[in-house]
Amino acid sequence: QQQVKQSPQSLIVQKGGISIINCAYENTAFDYFPWYQQFPGKGPALLIAIRPDVSEKKEGRFTISFNKSAKQFSLHIMDSQPGDSATYFCAAPHSGNTPLVFGKGTRLSVIA
Amino acid sequence: GAGVSQSPRYKVAKRGQDVALRCDPISGHVSLFWYQQALGQGPEFLTYFQNEAQLDKSGLPSDRFFAERPEGSVSTLKIQRTQQEDSAVYLCASSFEGLRGYTFGSGTRLTVV
Repeated sequence: QQQVKQSPQSLIVQKGGISIINCAYENTAFDYFPWYQQFPGKGPALLIAIRPDVSEKKEGRFTISFNKSAKQFSLHIMDSQPGDSATYFCAAPHSGNTPLVFGKGTRLSVIA
Repeated sequence: GAGVSQSPRYKVAKRGQDVALRCDPISGHVSLFWYQQALGQGPEFLTYFQNEAQLDKSGLPSDRFFAERPEGSVSTLKIQRTQQEDSAVYLCASSFEGLRGYTFGSGTRLTVV
């Protein structure tokens, strides 16, 4: 059973626009919600992460918004650049203190 | 080293052949994870070590898959009698802070022909 559901599957954004990727989770015991960025031929790299005691975290152009009641969290990329073109994965622990389960990924293309 | 190192980067195996994939984690990282990533999919958990202890192997797809980390540093993922469905990228990750803050290697792309 899928623990984290990510949407959309793919996304095309104009340069300078806002990219928004969403993730829904099932287990309310989750306590850590990261987003990973993966370029072709590379492993995923941690981009930004949030814990459920805060509703938003911002690092540069990247923001996580967390909605505990809806069991959703989202990644916002402001002023999207062609270099942001990559696949993005949300993740959450399988249950409580367990290894991360990843979403199926969102392929982002930022076009000039 | 500065990052997680995996070798080989690419491996082509004939169906039925045994393969061994190596992972060198970041020095001092006690947690080590193996994931399998099929083309166009997210990483799927295989197994997890804390030091030399294998704490979770629930994701290993069959008894043909075996992982070890005998001295709590380098780990090897072994696949016996490879099948075409084993073709994937095998990712290793390590972490200093337990189950969070993973650093992934670039993976080993296994192709079974």
